[in-house]
Amino acid sequence: KNQVEQSPQSLIILEGKNCTLQCNYTVSPFSNLRWYKQDTGRGPVSLTIMTFSENTKSNGRYTATLDADTKQSSLHITASQLSDSASYICVVSGDSSASKIIFGSGTRLSIRP
Amino acid sequence: DTEVTQTPKHLVMGMTNKKSLKCEQHMGHRAMYWYKQKAKKPPELMFVYSYEKLSINESVPSRFSPECPNSSLLNLHLHALQPEDSALYLCASSLMGGGLGNNEQFFGPGTRLTVL
Repeated sequence: KNQVEQSPQSLIILEGKNCTLQCNYTVSPFSNLRWYKQDTGRGPVSLTIMTFSENTKSNGRYTATLDADTKQSSLHITASQLSDSASYICVVSGDSSASKIIFGSGTRLSIRP
Repeated sequence: DTEVTQTPKHLVMGMTNKKSLKCEQHMGHRAMYWYKQKAKKPPELMFVYSYEKLSINESVPSRFSPECPNSSLLNLHLHALQPEDSALYLCASSLMGGGLGNNEQFFGPGTRLTVL
């Protein structure tokens, strides 16, 4: 069964600290993996997209890694800011059908001053 | 223009009302999507239009009726909804109609729908 699991479900850290969010997937065949940031009541915004051959990709203070062998990805946030408080969703695309776009349940990140 | 716009931002309707949600993009994308998202849950795919034709309907009740008048516009017509249909409705678009799973999706801000 194609699944995307994220951990932790929620996380609270102090402003300025770093954190790492995890994503494990069983989607096969694999096409790409994306990390989205979603503020409450808003649409998701893409942070990174990685294909099979990419191991790491950065977008400012966000760095995503991908291990296609173990089917794991992580999103590392450096020097967190209050504006980083949001849900972070891992999305994995399988074959060419849109119904194979599998969303994780997300990690709710709260940054405390 | 690199964004997907949705109107209205908020909508409150009764169970006997008929209303429509609108979505627009001017990025030349040929695939457009409707998602439903309940609180603290990931988005759930409802419909996909590819090259202005309905290509995927994820067994959505007929009280939701999508329409794609042209490649830039996507509507979702609502009729006789139930309170459990209250949710955030997200529109998304991607560049290509074929190979849908390989194309990055750009999401709109969503419409917060409340059914009384």
